[in-house]
Amino acid sequence: AQTVTQSQPEMSVQEAETVTLSCTYDTSESNYYLFWYKQPPSRQMILVIRQEAYKQQNATENRFSVNFQKAAKSFSLKISDSQLGDTAMYFCAFMSFYNQGGKLIFGQGTELSVKP
Amino acid sequence: DAGVIQSPRHEVTEMGQEVTLRCKPISGHDYLFWYRQTMMRGLELLIYFNNNVPIDDSGMPEDRFSAKMPNASFSTLKIQPSEPRDSAVYFCASSPTQAGGTYNEQFFGPGTRLTVL
Repeated sequence: AQTVTQSQPEMSVQEAETVTLSCTYDTSESNYYLFWYKQPPSRQMILVIRQEAYKQQNATENRFSVNFQKAAKSFSLKISDSQLGDTAMYFCAFMSFYNQGGKLIFGQGTELSVKP
Repeated sequence: DAGVIQSPRHEVTEMGQEVTLRCKPISGHDYLFWYRQTMMRGLELLIYFNNNVPIDDSGMPEDRFSAKMPNASFSTLKIQPSEPRDSAVYFCASSPTQAGGTYNEQFFGPGTRLTVL
């Protein structure tokens, strides 16, 4: 069974600085997808970025980028130029490529606070 | 597009009462998921449907929980009888069919916060 682990329950960063959130996962599959979701105080789950395991290039979305290390089964999220609106809970998630239903397996989350 | 719609947004009930949570997926999406979020267990999948048929209900905690999808635009999650440990945020999500080997992004509703006293 696949598992996702986020070892940092809480983190804080100063506005405009860079922060990295860690995620490790366990799977025996070679093809899969990885995601970072953001959950602000409104509770809405928002997809931040995704990575296909068969792609070597790290995904980037504006100020958000990932460091995907397939052999190490590591998938960290880097937020550059942090903004107050980035304050939220961040979840790392795994999806099997072969699961037609796209079942998401989530980590426990990292609560990020951006301080002015 | 209105997105995934859930109702009610908040529900407070007493132990032993029946609770029904509702979800309207995005039109055209044929996968529907129910997740539960608690402090202790995080976000976990309860059940999901494909074309209104339950595919995997292994996450449903016990027989007190049941879910139905009578048509493509409506699903319910029912708890009977409810218990205080059922207090959580329940999310519904929907996604289109996976096509051409691409992933199918799940779109989440705003969630229902359930409190069982």
